Amino acid sequence: QKEVEQDPGPLSVPEGAIVSLNCTYSNSAFQYFMWYRQYSRKGPELLMYTYSSGNKEDGRFTAQVDKSSKYISLFIRDSQPSDSATYLCAMKRSAGANSKLTFGKGITLSVRP
Amino acid sequence: NAGVTQTPKFRVLKTGQSMTLLCAQDMNHEYMYWYRQDPGMGLRLIHYSVGEGTTAKGEVPDGYNVSRLKKQNFLLGLESAAPSQTSVYFCASSYSGLAVNEQFFGPGTRLTVL
Repeated sequence: QKEVEQDPGPLSVPEGAIVSLNCTYSNSAFQYFMWYRQYSRKGPELLMYTYSSGNKEDGRFTAQVDKSSKYISLFIRDSQPSDSATYLCAMKRSAGANSKLTFGKGITLSVRP
Repeated sequence: NAGVTQTPKFRVLKTGQSMTLLCAQDMNHEYMYWYRQDPGMGLRLIHYSVGEGTTAKGEVPDGYNVSRLKKQNFLLGLESAAPSQTSVYFCASSYSGLAVNEQFFGPGTRLTVL
């Protein structure tokens, strides 16, 4: 079993839809959970991060972590065509830079106008 | 402030040829990383560096070598390219003072090995 599993997609939704992107993981040592967004032919950029369990909201984006279920989600409200990108979840054991990131495979989202 | 830049953007090699990918960052970051991204595989760490003059192996280091002679540069070398090394290569950098040590990625190098 891979340490981080992410729904493979792709996912296509109409503009204005609520999008739910999910990852599961097997390593209970992960404490920091991140979502990176990657536009086509670009490098990933950090979208949001959370520490341990709970929710974090930033505008139309909400990141949710359920450590008891080893499950994280990213919700996008009122999705826009500009949200069309690949979304990668990533996790690490500690905040230190020596703690390596483990990425999910990524899911490609397309928001139709 | 250019952030993280990568040279070249594209390259086609024949099996057995060698090449060096250059990563440069102007943010004075201590940590630098090389990843490869393949369809269905996600991002996988090849090598990384925690400071000038240091390097360490990541998840998939075989067939690659790296050097960090200057703090701002991190070089990835392929001594004898193989078709299995066809991929998109991303460099990233990070700084210990950042929250969760956010990694800043370059735009990538698309490498094809024939």
